[in-house]
Amino acid sequence: DAGITQSPRHKVTETGTPVTLRCHQTENHRYMYWYRQDPGHGLRLIHYSYGVKDTDKGEVSDGYSVSRSKTEDFLLTLESATSSQTSVYFCAISESAGGADSPLHFGNGTRLTVT
Amino acid sequence: EDQVTQSPEALRLQEGESSSLNCSYTVSGLRGLFWYRQDPGKGPEFLFTLYSAGEEKEKERLKATLTKKESFLHITAPKPEDSATYLCAAGSQGAQKLVFGQGTRLTINP
Repeated sequence: DAGITQSPRHKVTETGTPVTLRCHQTENHRYMYWYRQDPGHGLRLIHYSYGVKDTDKGEVSDGYSVSRSKTEDFLLTLESATSSQTSVYFCAISESAGGADSPLHFGNGTRLTVT
Repeated sequence: EDQVTQSPEALRLQEGESSSLNCSYTVSGLRGLFWYRQDPGKGPEFLFTLYSAGEEKEKERLKATLTKKESFLHITAPKPEDSATYLCAAGSQGAQKLVFGQGTRLTINP
């Protein structure tokens, strides 16, 4: 397995509270991604990073922010959680942009429930 | 807009009964077509990358093929441990992201 650790694995939070999910990699890959997976929508990209302090938005970025202060860590923050953000969140890494030349490797996800 | 569609949504087979999963894609300049396997409660696990029409890749009972509009994942004589959701994704020229299909949930009955 690629060295990707997501924490926490499960979290229940209340509407309006801030939440931070962490992704830690030991592969020294340049590119890191946050996806969410929902029934009927598949995997959708939230934000991605192409280097330390270099990030960009994906297709469903509203309500989310990210930070990457070290190569190995990529944080996803929900500033004020809403019920629509109840989902399973996956972190992924790749050696090249978009995973087009080398595949994405995924962590085992964080199941987030917003009540 | 780049799009990936997988069919069927779900497929139930008997052990040993071969079949194929379909992935249709519409992307501007395919850079790579990827297949993943996902088990319940786990992240997707990479299986294959295909780059050009006519290319084939094999791994145990799985073989992936690619045409200019579709990719197929052929499963030969499947076993119960092949039960999983299979995802395909397409990367396009210059894009910083993959587009994923919604997956096919495969169940192999003993």
